[in-house]
Amino acid sequence: QKEVEQDPGPLSVPEGAIVSLNCTYSNSAFQYFMWYRQYSRKGPELLMYTYSSGNKEDGRFTAQVDKSSKYISLFIRDSQPSDSATYLCAMEGFSSGSARQLTFGSGTQLTVLP
Amino acid sequence: DTAVSQTPKYLVTQMGNDKSIKCEQNLGHDTMYWYKQDSKKFLKIMFSYNNKELIINETVPNRFSPKSPDKAHLNLHINSLELGDSAVYFCASSQEGGVETQYFGPGTRLLVL
Repeated sequence: QKEVEQDPGPLSVPEGAIVSLNCTYSNSAFQYFMWYRQYSRKGPELLMYTYSSGNKEDGRFTAQVDKSSKYISLFIRDSQPSDSATYLCAMEGFSSGSARQLTFGSGTQLTVLP
Repeated sequence: DTAVSQTPKYLVTQMGNDKSIKCEQNLGHDTMYWYKQDSKKFLKIMFSYNNKELIINETVPNRFSPKSPDKAHLNLHINSLELGDSAVYFCASSQEGGVETQYFGPGTRLLVL
């Protein structure tokens, strides 16, 4: 079992829809939870990060973390065609050498249709 | 103004060759990383350097050797390339201890024939 599981999609929604993207994880030591957006043939860019449980909102994006269920979500309101990308969740843990590192989900490919 | 840059963007080479990828960041960060992204978009850490010191060295064949001449640069040298090395390699950087706010480069697409 992978440490971080993410539904790869693809997910297609009409413009204006609310999108829900989710990840589950198995390592209860994770403390920071990130969402990255990756456009085709580009590097991942950080959308937002959350420390521990709770919600965080940034414009049309809301990140939720439920540590008791080991479940994180990213909601996109009023989705736009420009939101079409692969969304990667990531979580901060420790490497075998005790250095902090990110563990990524496999990404969900989202297409917002005009 | 590019924050994290990589060269080359594309690399097509034959099996058995040796190649290098270079990375530079102008963000003043202390920590730099190399990731490998496979064809299924799975992104996995390979190495991390903090102030030119290797701090993360995941299970990567020793044909891969990172080198950090200074804290703004992190290069990746690959010996005896194999078909399975074909992937996109991303460099990233963050402030020391700021692993949650990593900034990624545009990637180097490596194809081994």
